[in-house]
Amino acid sequence: NAGVMQNPRHLVRRRGQEARLRCSPMKGHSHVYWYRQLPEEGLKFMVYLQKENIIDESGMPKERFSAEFPKEGPSILRIQQVVRGDSAAYFCASSPEGSAYGYTFGSGTRLTVV
Amino acid sequence: GENVEQHPSTLSVQEGDSAVIKCTYSDSASNYFPWYKQELGKGPQLIIDIRSNVGEKKDQRIAVTLNKTAKHFSLHITETQPEDSAVYFCAASRAGAQKLVFGQGTRLTINP
Repeated sequence: NAGVMQNPRHLVRRRGQEARLRCSPMKGHSHVYWYRQLPEEGLKFMVYLQKENIIDESGMPKERFSAEFPKEGPSILRIQQVVRGDSAAYFCASSPEGSAYGYTFGSGTRLTVV
Repeated sequence: GENVEQHPSTLSVQEGDSAVIKCTYSDSASNYFPWYKQELGKGPQLIIDIRSNVGEKKDQRIAVTLNKTAKHFSLHITETQPEDSAVYFCAASRAGAQKLVFGQGTRLTINP
């Protein structure tokens, strides 16, 4: 039973380009959460999704960031027109229920904007 | 909103000694307090959690204590081993909430 799968593990983008981060939840999990971790800091909540629905995007920057979790396929976190300040590790977690209990995190995508 | 403060930011102990990491939280409605271990290049891994209806929970060398009145909780690692070296994060969540609020992390180093 594979865990939460994130890809790519590392992503380098030039300023102004788009970044697409993918997350496949654990089998049987239909709730996905995205967190961002800046260097030497804790994780900050960005967005919570269920299949085809955004439930809570209170932590998502209003511009350039979007997330989806389609009926088929992985959840996608999309960052348009990336800037240096977007450089961070982005972690996805999944859970069988819509609660913070028993999150399982993926290994993350490390985004570097040059 | 919830705010979680974690101390110390770095901690170095001799192998075999105990390590204690402390967190305080601001939201009295929080009732779920997990601890995560993050090794270099990996995602956070849940190591122990506690809910507000208990004051202490233990799992082998790891224990967590919770003081709801004072709004603080602590991670205790006994008989530390080199593989305990990692960054540890505390977090808090309200009942029924889907998101966690994390502390800033503690880099624990176990010296042989």
